Amino acid sequence: GAVVSQHPSRVICKSGTSVKIECRSLDFQATTMFWYRQFPKQSLMLMATSNEGSKATYEQGVEKDKFLINHASLTLSTLTVTSAHPEDSSFYICSARDPSLAGGGNEQFFGPGTRLTVL
Amino acid sequence: DQQVKQNSPSLSVQEGRISILNCDYTNSMFDYFLWYKKYPAEGPTFLISISSIKDKNEDGRFTVFLNKSAKHLSLHIVPSQPGDSAVYFCAASPNSNSGYALNFGKGTSLLVTP
Repeated sequence: GAVVSQHPSRVICKSGTSVKIECRSLDFQATTMFWYRQFPKQSLMLMATSNEGSKATYEQGVEKDKFLINHASLTLSTLTVTSAHPEDSSFYICSARDPSLAGGGNEQFFGPGTRLTVL
Repeated sequence: DQQVKQNSPSLSVQEGRISILNCDYTNSMFDYFLWYKKYPAEGPTFLISISSIKDKNEDGRFTVFLNKSAKHLSLHIVPSQPGDSAVYFCAASPNSNSGYALNFGKGTSLLVTP
């Protein structure tokens, strides 16, 4: 159980275009999902917390108009990188908590990640 | 501001020996700690966690130790196997039931040699 998928796994796009990344919890309902990005040899940096049915909470320094997050259902959150530029090239990873887990631990289950390359 | 620190970027251990990965944190509000394992181009995989009411948690070959007064935790892998070679991230959050996002360290790359 507790499987999180992401699509696409890899995307290459031209500068100025928008890219949508989907994050799905396959076997549980996730009221909260998280979006991270990771640069080479760096840690996972939290970008935003996505809450089902409400606006996302963005971390300081993350432009909400550039990284649009939609959490329209309990199993799907999307991240849209608008007007992407080469500096947006990174590894984007989503995660979700399974609130039904016994003990209610804060284990987050991660998707496989999306490698975005902006030319 | 890095609140979770993994000061060793890499570690090499011989197969069969013990691997010890260390993690320090600065935020005294953290009371739930997790270790994740990550292969290149994949998402992290949850390994083991510990809450502040414990000082040790064991799961098979993996044991996590927490020294709250020193704000330090460590992951022990024994015996180490070549398949354990990966990047290990330490993470922390303020509360196990809050749904707070995790604060990650920069990771330690473990290489287990045959």
